[in-house]
Amino acid sequence: EPEVTQTPSHQVTQMGQEVILRCVPISNHLYFYWYRQILGQKVEFLVSFYNNEISEKSEIFDDQFSVERPDGSNFTLKIRSTKLEDSAMYFCACQRETLNEQFFGPGTRLTVL
Amino acid sequence: QKEVEQDPGPLSVPEGAIVSLNCTYSNSAFQYFMWYRQYSRKGPELLMYTYSSGNKEDGRFTAQVDKSSKYISLFIRDSQPSDSATYLCAMRRNTGNQFYFGTGTSLTVIP
Repeated sequence: EPEVTQTPSHQVTQMGQEVILRCVPISNHLYFYWYRQILGQKVEFLVSFYNNEISEKSEIFDDQFSVERPDGSNFTLKIRSTKLEDSAMYFCACQRETLNEQFFGPGTRLTVL
Repeated sequence: QKEVEQDPGPLSVPEGAIVSLNCTYSNSAFQYFMWYRQYSRKGPELLMYTYSSGNKEDGRFTAQVDKSSKYISLFIRDSQPSDSATYLCAMRRNTGNQFYFGTGTSLTVIP
């Protein structure tokens, strides 16, 4: 069964450093998402991406964040200058068509020191 | 008021019990309702996906949506220790793709 994969599984970085989180969505899916989950808190929407552009973003997704689908298979989330409060699990999700269910990857645990 | 409210638990039941998990919401524009299961340090796994009001059954799982009360439920029959996980409700509007999640309910099924 196709699945979403994410790398790395755990990323440790120093405050102020840039990080890139990578996702390989299910191959025939067209809509892509990033969510985050701070430890013990709810899953929060960050951004949705369709047709090579951002279709929707939350107030969390500020200028420090960017997304890219560089080669038709990978979907990346970049945090330009990490802050301590960026420490969280980051989940990639994808969706074959709009109104369908979303499938989540296993997540990347980001720890900012 | 939060968009989606969910009792975080924890909920602990004996094996074989019927489990009832619930969420309430405030936005009447929500039309699609999902239940996800999340094991510790893993991504959410879709269990049930329903549109508008009514019931949907899949094996031991039944999802109910009552839009008039803005209330959704997930029932687990004959609960198993492997059902021990956090259960997340999620919902979305008819337009846009943003999912709104509850905080999750932690369930432990005791053998």
